[in-house]
Amino acid sequence: QKEVEQNSGPLSVPEGAIASLNCTYSDRGSQSFFWYRQYSGKSPELIMSIYSNGDKEDGRFTAQLNKASQYVSLLIRDSQPSDSATYLCAVRGGGKLIFGQGTELSVKP
Amino acid sequence: DAMVIQNPRYQVTQFGKPVTLSCSQTLNHNVMYWYQQKSSQAPKLLFHYYDKDFNNEADTPDNFQSRRPNTSFCFLDIRSPGLGDAAMYLCATDWGPPDNEQFFGPGTRLTVL
Repeated sequence: QKEVEQNSGPLSVPEGAIASLNCTYSDRGSQSFFWYRQYSGKSPELIMSIYSNGDKEDGRFTAQLNKASQYVSLLIRDSQPSDSATYLCAVRGGGKLIFGQGTELSVKP
Repeated sequence: DAMVIQNPRYQVTQFGKPVTLSCSQTLNHNVMYWYQQKSSQAPKLLFHYYDKDFNNEADTPDNFQSRRPNTSFCFLDIRSPGLGDAAMYLCATDWGPPDNEQFFGPGTRLTVL
């Protein structure tokens, strides 16, 4: 059974801080990794994709991938209250996307 | 803008009354997916179409069916909705594995009375 694990949270950070969201996966053959943001009652929105070991930055978001450790993370710099949402990690190993349960992030003003 | 569209956004049906949800896309993607998502849970894949090739997940109930009449449209039919089928239904599309990004529509919130 291919699995993707995330801490469910809630993760609470003050406005302006760095939020760190973590994800581990079981399938060593996984090739592509995604982070989705989902506001309450809305659909998932793709915010980052990463395919190679290392860091990928896009604005305030940085995705980090370590295939040897089977670990992917998302850093959100200068967190804003509008970043408060559930963040879903999704992993693909050639077939369907496997989602984690999501981490709920709360950014306090 | 290229996008994934779902109609209706909210659907109320009665226990046992068939319902159809629709999805359309302007992205011209090969693959269309249907997911079910319940509160505080990850999206659960029901089935997907790779072009005209239908792929059902092993644990998808027979009560759920799908049709893809052309590249742009895909339908989810729930033949006899039960109270447990109340959920958000998400349509998503992509170019297919292994590494293409998958995009979701806004979802249809289904209520079963």
